[in-house]
Amino acid sequence: DIQMTQSPSTLSASVGDRVTITCRASQTLNNWLAWYQQKPGKAPKLLIYKVSNLEGGVPSRFSGSGSGTEFTLTISSLQPDDFATYYCQQYNSFSWTFGQGTKVEIK
Amino acid sequence: QVQLQESGPGLVKPSETLSLSCTVSGGSVRSGDYHWSWIRQAPGKGLEWIGYIYSSGRIYYNPSLNSRVTISEDTSKNQFSLRLSSVSAADTAVYFCGSYIVGAGGRGSWGQGILVTVSS
Repeated sequence: DIQMTQSPSTLSASVGDRVTITCRASQTLNNWLAWYQQKPGKAPKLLIYKVSNLEGGVPSRFSGSGSGTEFTLTISSLQPDDFATYYCQQYNSFSWTFGQGTKVEIK
Repeated sequence: QVQLQESGPGLVKPSETLSLSCTVSGGSVRSGDYHWSWIRQAPGKGLEWIGYIYSSGRIYYNPSLNSRVTISEDTSKNQFSLRLSSVSAADTAVYFCGSYIVGAGGRGSWGQGILVTVSS
């Protein structure tokens, strides 16, 4: 199975900060990686698919990058609505896995 | 846009079988265009992929749950279902169903989720 290691687990930041979250895969993913945002009591919301493609309606301050086994989600200027938990998910194999999640908290 | 709604008991006794259904609207479970999926989230924990069914019968499960999980589809009701046997308190979670567009790397829809508590 492909293991996903996401870091950091918690991140404290202020409005306007640039935020970076990393996911490392135990095997090469061939670009089959997505990023989700989840708020309490809600289903996850897709932000980025296939590493760097912005889902429709998602603000352009969100971006994804990476290749091979290392991938990054960047929020260029953190907004109040962005305080949430973020997950990566790999789809490279028939067996999918999520990262452990990164909680973005108000500093 | 496909919409999904989970249904089933909110309380299951230990050692029994958890059974949930996901009703699909705006699409067909017969469609080979989607991976019809189940994901769960234990209270205060992260997301765990359970498995999916697609192309009317191709099924893949999380290896850690493989011996206890069954995903199936009911085309007459336009639903797909999850059965998890021999449950314990560790299976208490919000269970989400999802429809992932094949080849779209994560695009699709999720249900709102249903909390299932395992307790006597």
